[in-house]
Amino acid sequence: AQSVTQLDSHVSVSEGTPVLLRCNYSSSYSPSLFWYVQHPNKGLQLLLKYTSAATLVKGINGFEAEFKKSETSFHLTKPSAHMSDAAEYFCVVTTQGYGNKLVFGAGTILRVKS
Amino acid sequence: DTAVSQTPKYLVTQMGNDKSIKCEQNLGHDTMYWYKQDSKKFLKIMFSYNNKELIINETVPNRFSPKSPDKAHLNLHINSLELGDSAVYFCASSASRVKDTEAFFGQGTRLTVV
Repeated sequence: AQSVTQLDSHVSVSEGTPVLLRCNYSSSYSPSLFWYVQHPNKGLQLLLKYTSAATLVKGINGFEAEFKKSETSFHLTKPSAHMSDAAEYFCVVTTQGYGNKLVFGAGTILRVKS
Repeated sequence: DTAVSQTPKYLVTQMGNDKSIKCEQNLGHDTMYWYKQDSKKFLKIMFSYNNKELIINETVPNRFSPKSPDKAHLNLHINSLELGDSAVYFCASSASRVKDTEAFFGQGTRLTVV
């Protein structure tokens, strides 16, 4: 079965410093991976997705992620954090088989200090 | 215009009651979903419909019954509510049921059973 593990439940950075949110995946086949963001009291928004094309994926708001098969990782990065980046981030994998089923990680809460 | 809208946003009810959550999408999508986010923020799929046909039905108590009157609507009816049903329920839609199609989420319905 496909699954993702987000290695940090909370990450705290200062505004203007880099962001790294870590995600490892487990899959018996070549996976498709996503990062979603959830701002307080809001729905989830897609940041970026990897679907077996380029391994470095660029998303919205300056975020990017790199698919590393050898490390089974799909870490999310941003060169410079902004206060508006404070939110919860979910790493997601889709399952093989019928239907478009998303399997979510446990989430990482990003705090940005001024 | 909100792409995926859910009503109500908040729902507080007593154990044993029956309640419904409504979801509508104006994106012209064929596929809709219900996800449940528990108190630990863990998100898990419950159901998916494609053009009014049920295509994903996870291990969910049969007290939960989705209904799709047309492809723009997917409502969730819950009978005999229990304390453990307290969670945030997210509706989502995607253009198709094909794997990796981007899902658009509503803002969620916070259900509290007392």
